[in-house]
Amino acid sequence: RKEVEQDPGPFNVPEGATVAFNCTYSNSASQSFFWYRQDCRKEPKLLMSVYSSGNEDGRFTAQLNRASQYISLLIRDSKLSDSATYLCAVKATGNQFYFGTGTSLTVIP
Amino acid sequence: EPEVTQTPSHQVTQMGQEVILRCVPISNHLYFYWYRQILGQKVEFLVSFYNNEISEKSEIFDDQFSVERPDGSNFTLKIRSTKLEDSAMYFCASSSQGAAEAFFGQGTRLTVV
Repeated sequence: RKEVEQDPGPFNVPEGATVAFNCTYSNSASQSFFWYRQDCRKEPKLLMSVYSSGNEDGRFTAQLNRASQYISLLIRDSKLSDSATYLCAVKATGNQFYFGTGTSLTVIP
Repeated sequence: EPEVTQTPSHQVTQMGQEVILRCVPISNHLYFYWYRQILGQKVEFLVSFYNNEISEKSEIFDDQFSVERPDGSNFTLKIRSTKLEDSAMYFCASSSQGAAEAFFGQGTRLTVV
């Protein structure tokens, strides 16, 4: 069973749309949760950490559901510059981050 | 803003040759990682390093791989005898604490021919 699973997409949405990604994780002892953004042939860049109470950063909202073992990312008012692959990352008790396969988003003019 | 730096950005090597990929983690970080990403595939964990020793490694990280922190700033990944399937982007990352977010370098694209 994969540690972290994401719908690979692709998601193609018009500018201004709201889009949501989900990510499920298998280890109930997971402690830390993150969303990263990866542009083509670039390194993953931290978008936001995900806190138990949920958190928001501008147009981005991240939520954690420990009971169902999933995290979500909501992007409101999509911009062309939001086009990228979004990776969820989960850290359990060890020292490694498990990454999902990533969800591809293309925002269309 | 502090960042993780990696050199070289691109390395081409012949099959069977040894390569060393270099990383300078963020200076006050204590946890270091190597990941790889084969083109079009997911980011895969290779190894984590803390307190001058490997703390975890994946099944990918076999005897051909080794890591070292030769001084207070560098963190290296050595592949002893490269294979064609080692061709990938290799990312170094560091974090300040075990549970904290990891910051990635820009990667080294390794091409084995």
